[in-house]
Amino acid sequence: GQQVMQIPQYQHVQEGEDFTTYCNSSTTLSNIQWYKQRPGGHPVFLIQLVKSGEVKKQKRLTFQFGEAKKNSSLHITATQTTDVGTYFCAGSSGNTPLVFGKGTRLSVIA
Amino acid sequence: DTAVSQTPKYLVTQMGNDKSIKCEQNLGHDTMYWYKQDSKKFLKIMFSYNNKELIINETVPNRFSPKSPDKAHLNLHINSLELGDSAVYFCASSQARSRLYNSPLHFGNGTRLTVT
Repeated sequence: GQQVMQIPQYQHVQEGEDFTTYCNSSTTLSNIQWYKQRPGGHPVFLIQLVKSGEVKKQKRLTFQFGEAKKNSSLHITATQTTDVGTYFCAGSSGNTPLVFGKGTRLSVIA
Repeated sequence: DTAVSQTPKYLVTQMGNDKSIKCEQNLGHDTMYWYKQDSKKFLKIMFSYNNKELIINETVPNRFSPKSPDKAHLNLHINSLELGDSAVYFCASSQARSRLYNSPLHFGNGTRLTVT
């Protein structure tokens, strides 16, 4: 079945450093979504990408969808302590349920 | 004006007991889900209902039985609880079925189930 792999599993950064998490699918995706889960909280939808090569920005966050629609990345510029949490990608091949990656847990050291 | 609300927030119970978790959404969404998040934070879909109809039933023991009395509610009943059932259970909802797999999920706050 479809698998979505996400790396790294953990990332510790100094406040102000950049952070990137990567997502790879075993199959071509129709769309990919990104979620953020704060410690003790619930996943919150951040963004959805549907087009090959698409790039979207939300303030310091940049999301990319690969040309082959099998990979995606989330890049945070100049991390802040408010960025702490687990970032999940979730992909679908259209007629399949969203499959979540295992998440990247980000720690930011002030 | 909570969008997706689930109760209880915490549930501590002994092995062999039966328990229920309730979920309600006021977003007008047609589709609701149950997800299980284990201790390693892995999110796995359990069930999905669209307009009270079961459309996804992943490999879940039949001790777990979802019930959807209407499209705004999706409850989860668990029989004969086992230690391995300890996890956080999230209810979620999304827009209409025609965009089922393109619709963002709105999650509830989660129910932390601890089986002792």
